[in-house]
Amino acid sequence: EVQLVESGGGLVKPGGSLRLSCAASGFTFSDYVINWVRQAPGKGLEWVSSISSLGRYIYYADSVKGRFTISRDNAKNSLYLQMKSLRGEDTAVYYCARGDNRDYWGQGTLVTVSS
Amino acid sequence: QSALTQPASVSGSPGQSITISCTGTSSDVGAYNYVSWYQQHPGKAPKLMIYDVSSRPSGVSNRFSGSKSGNTASLAISGLQAEDEADYYCSSYTSSSTYVFGTGTKVTVL
Repeated sequence: EVQLVESGGGLVKPGGSLRLSCAASGFTFSDYVINWVRQAPGKGLEWVSSISSLGRYIYYADSVKGRFTISRDNAKNSLYLQMKSLRGEDTAVYYCARGDNRDYWGQGTLVTVSS
Repeated sequence: QSALTQPASVSGSPGQSITISCTGTSSDVGAYNYVSWYQQHPGKAPKLMIYDVSSRPSGVSNRFSGSKSGNTASLAISGLQAEDEADYYCSSYTSSSTYVFGTGTKVTVL
């Protein structure tokens, strides 16, 4: 069974940093592009970043470019999102999702940026 | 990276058919056959319903179908059921090698 489990969310002050993780199981992690997608409370989905299967190709939304860094460790079947210089508008549930079509999603982890 | 435009809400009675539109530009929806659709129930993670404009993942009902014409993609739901009441989002690959989601549509079953 394909599973994606996010962790690392929490309350952080504006300007602070946080590192999210996504643990994958039930499939060959190193074969897939993995994405981060976020959803602010009561709002729609926003694509944040994606990383190719071997980590060679990385893309970011303009809203996070220069502040967020996506990475992966295929030996640990894990995806990461290092977030710095956090702002109130980064408050959201962050999901990891598998593949170019995002066919499997985790349950999400809530990041709240507030003083 | 402006969001794709969807109607805020669409409604229909059980058994009826509805269509949700998703309008982008010649740099996203119009440029690639990489449009996908997601269903999201309250408090739940999104679920892939359609990919590559019109392909259905295994396990998704054939009541759901997708199409595209120019810069506008569409999701059709036939034989509307109570369980179809949810938010629906489209997404497209873009010429910047990024992805963009639609603004979202709330489907109400009357």
